[in-house]
Amino acid sequence: TQLLEQSPQFLSIQEGENLTVYCNSSSVFSSLQWYRQEPGEGPVLLVTVVTGGEVKKLKRLTFQFGDARKDSSLHITAAQTGDTGLYLCAGVSGANNLFFGTGTRLTVIP
Amino acid sequence: GAGVSQSPSNKVTEKGKDVELRCDPISGHTALYWYRQSLGQGLEFLIYFQGNSAPDKSGLPSDRFSAERTGGSVSTLTIQRTQQEDSAVYLCASTLGGAEETQYFGPGTRLLVL
Repeated sequence: TQLLEQSPQFLSIQEGENLTVYCNSSSVFSSLQWYRQEPGEGPVLLVTVVTGGEVKKLKRLTFQFGDARKDSSLHITAAQTGDTGLYLCAGVSGANNLFFGTGTRLTVIP
Repeated sequence: GAGVSQSPSNKVTEKGKDVELRCDPISGHTALYWYRQSLGQGLEFLIYFQGNSAPDKSGLPSDRFSAERTGGSVSTLTIQRTQQEDSAVYLCASTLGGAEETQYFGPGTRLLVL
């Protein structure tokens, strides 16, 4: 099993603060996806990073893929209440295998 | 077009009973995945279907779990002789191709085994 550990597991911050979520593994992945899941719904893809060292920005969200393609981070600037949810990273290995991380539950307090 | 749908949205059953969970993927998507999610945590892979190939069943936790996909479209996940530890949200996702493609998830079926 290729384990993806996310940290922190839970995070509660005030609106306007910055935060970083980490996704770490000892395995190498060909690409890595980040999803957000809201209560009662399935996860929704935010971004896919493919190249080691790649940085992608999605408005206030910045995603980085580690140089060795074993880890990734998600940084949110000036968090808003709408950012509240469960953030999941998922590593792709081979043609058919997608391994999900343990998840980070973010709560943004108004 | 319509997204992935799952039914029922909620299921309460008694220990020892069998349950069937249904997934309707997005039309044209060749790949279909089933996952289990406990207590709002990460997703546990259960089974994967790709076109007409033999399914990857490596994630099924026991022989009480089985799944089929009829006509390359609708899939049914069956849990026989349910146990309390089977209580979880069961999520289905479909993709155009392999794991590198975007996974489109259904809303899940919340299963509670009493």
